[in-house]
Amino acid sequence: QSVLTQPPSASGTPGQRVTISCSGSSSNIGSNTVNWYQQLPGTAPKLLIYSNNQRPSGVPDRFSGSKSGTSASLAISGLQSEDEADYYCAAWDDSLNEWVFGGGTKLTVL
Amino acid sequence: QVQLVQSGAEVKKPGASVKVSCKASGYTFTSYDINWVRQATGQGLEWMGWMNPNSGNTGYAQKFQGRVTMTRNTSISTAYMELSSLRSEDTAVYYCAREDGGGSQPWDAFDIWGQGTMVTVSS
Repeated sequence: QSVLTQPPSASGTPGQRVTISCSGSSSNIGSNTVNWYQQLPGTAPKLLIYSNNQRPSGVPDRFSGSKSGTSASLAISGLQSEDEADYYCAAWDDSLNEWVFGGGTKLTVL
Repeated sequence: QVQLVQSGAEVKKPGASVKVSCKASGYTFTSYDINWVRQATGQGLEWMGWMNPNSGNTGYAQKFQGRVTMTRNTSISTAYMELSSLRSEDTAVYYCAREDGGGSQPWDAFDIWGQGTMVTVSS
């Protein structure tokens, strides 16, 4: 049972826009910034979005993040086959004094 | 380039300990915290703890308190994670990750990850 809640799966066709949600509480998302990680099959996670909506250098602007209250979301526009991966949200939890992750969302490009 | 390179796969018996290394290059090792995250096969990411390579200070997830020890050797820019009293449920890929931000920054994130080390616990 993950502290942050994500849908286990999402899907879309090439060119579509998909969103992935991440729900938390006042002690994590509600009081700290949210990061998103992309994990391609068989590889290490990669930082995709940090500080709710910032993209590291090299991440396409097709990827965007947002946060409102105790929830956050990741949007991917112009979906491409290479976007097929697992996506994880993460935030620091002030009550647990730990980093907490969502359970991950497996994105399938149909 | 900035990278973290981890040690190779390990096979251990239940009750044993494992020590995984994470060698940093391309940046000042003591300027960024190192975190450890593990992932069982087909499962999600699980945070284990952090270490400040400059001070040696550490913080561990409640779940691993008493079983995990994070250390470093600054002369060779290497961080270590040792997990003791291994059981089958500890079979997973273990990742080290550099933490950027924090301090005066209002954000922080794991911006560089090692390639992962597979630890298998089996009798």
